[in-house]
Amino acid sequence: NAGVMQNPRHLVRRRGQEARLRCSPMKGHSHVYWYRQLPEEGLKFMVYLQKENIIDESGMPKERFSAEFPKEGPSILRIQQVVRGDSAAYFCASSPDRGPYEQYFGPGTRLTVT
Amino acid sequence: QQPVQSPQAVILREGEDAVINCSSSKALYSVHWYRQKHGEAPIFLMILLKGGEQKGHDKISASFNEKKQQSSLYLTASQLSYSGTYFCIANFGNEKLTFGTGTRLTIIP
Repeated sequence: NAGVMQNPRHLVRRRGQEARLRCSPMKGHSHVYWYRQLPEEGLKFMVYLQKENIIDESGMPKERFSAEFPKEGPSILRIQQVVRGDSAAYFCASSPDRGPYEQYFGPGTRLTVT
Repeated sequence: QQPVQSPQAVILREGEDAVINCSSSKALYSVHWYRQKHGEAPIFLMILLKGGEQKGHDKISASFNEKKQQSSLYLTASQLSYSGTYFCIANFGNEKLTFGTGTRLTIIP
């Protein structure tokens, strides 16, 4: 019974490159959430997706960031033209349904922009 | 809108009790509690729902005062494994979770 999986666990990119972060939710979960955590801070909501739909992207920067959750395959958070300020831990979480359900978090992807 | 937690940090000896408080300036639909150890993913502890239903961990308890828009997490007979940063997380009626300011708990032998 695999939990939420994220890859890569660590990603190093030079300024201006693209970063692609992948998240596979728990089996049977069709709701995915992405969060960003800066050092010594709590997690900040970025986007909530269901299969093929973005439900809430109010926490996502309007430029350079995009997310998708296709019918088949993992959810992808894409950051174009990365800058140093994008360096952070990116966590995804999944839940079985919408509403006040517990969210199960993946191990995170630590992005470092040099 | 970020929930405010108190205390910000606390150090306990193994076996002591702790209470962590969480206050919101906005009406809460539910409150979630998670614990995160350094460099790891947050782990679910508890959900408290409006109306009193509670789902969660059998060794940790919590309360939810809807009128005061507050929740408290109670850790009794703390163990070394309880160390970490505790977050209360507010749900204001949609699926988005808003993390609180965090409480760093350190348990010493």
